[in-house]
Amino acid sequence: DQQVKQNSPSLSVQEGRISILNCDYTNSMFDYFLWYKKYPAEGPTFLISISSIKDKNEDGRFTVFLNKSAKHLSLHIVPSQPGDSAVYFCAAIAISNFGNEKLTFGTGTRLTIIP
Amino acid sequence: ETGVTQTPRHLVMGMTNKKSLKCEQHLGHNAMYWYKQSAKKPLELMFVYNFKEQTENNSVPSRFSPECPNSSHLFLHLHTLQPEDSALYLCASSPDPVTDRVNSPLHFGNGTRLTVT
Repeated sequence: DQQVKQNSPSLSVQEGRISILNCDYTNSMFDYFLWYKKYPAEGPTFLISISSIKDKNEDGRFTVFLNKSAKHLSLHIVPSQPGDSAVYFCAAIAISNFGNEKLTFGTGTRLTIIP
Repeated sequence: ETGVTQTPRHLVMGMTNKKSLKCEQHLGHNAMYWYKQSAKKPLELMFVYNFKEQTENNSVPSRFSPECPNSSHLFLHLHTLQPEDSALYLCASSPDPVTDRVNSPLHFGNGTRLTVT
């Protein structure tokens, strides 16, 4: 059973608009969340993260929001740029679950920015 | 330059072949990982090495055999694979398997695209 779900396999957004990528999780032990970005023929690269003690983390054009009660997080990119076209992976880990820490990934969402 | 280099980038092998994937990291990290990415599936953790010692084997079939001669190099030896093993195999590294992951996430290589015929 997938513990981290990205239910939208793809998303297209006009350049300059806001891109919102969603991620849901089922494991209430997860206490740290990350977003990775992957271009074709390259490995994933770390983008932004958030701890469960926060509900928002911002880094330039990228903001991650966490709703613990809904077990939902989202990545907002504004304004969207053509270089943002990539596959975005949501990942989660239970840092406090000593001895059983494992980074769990979602299936990814392919974001296409339309010029 | 990602700091994590994987070779080869592409590999086609028959089911009776023996081949090896290589990973090298120049980041001074102590932990190295093998991940498998199949189409429409999440990244799956296969193996974790910490200071050259295997600390996790995520129920991977024995036809995949990892080797970590030192903290900078990681191999994945392949033998008698099946067509369903065709996937992108990603190597990653981090300073420490867990405690530093919060402050320094995984650094991935560009992967080896494996096709088993």
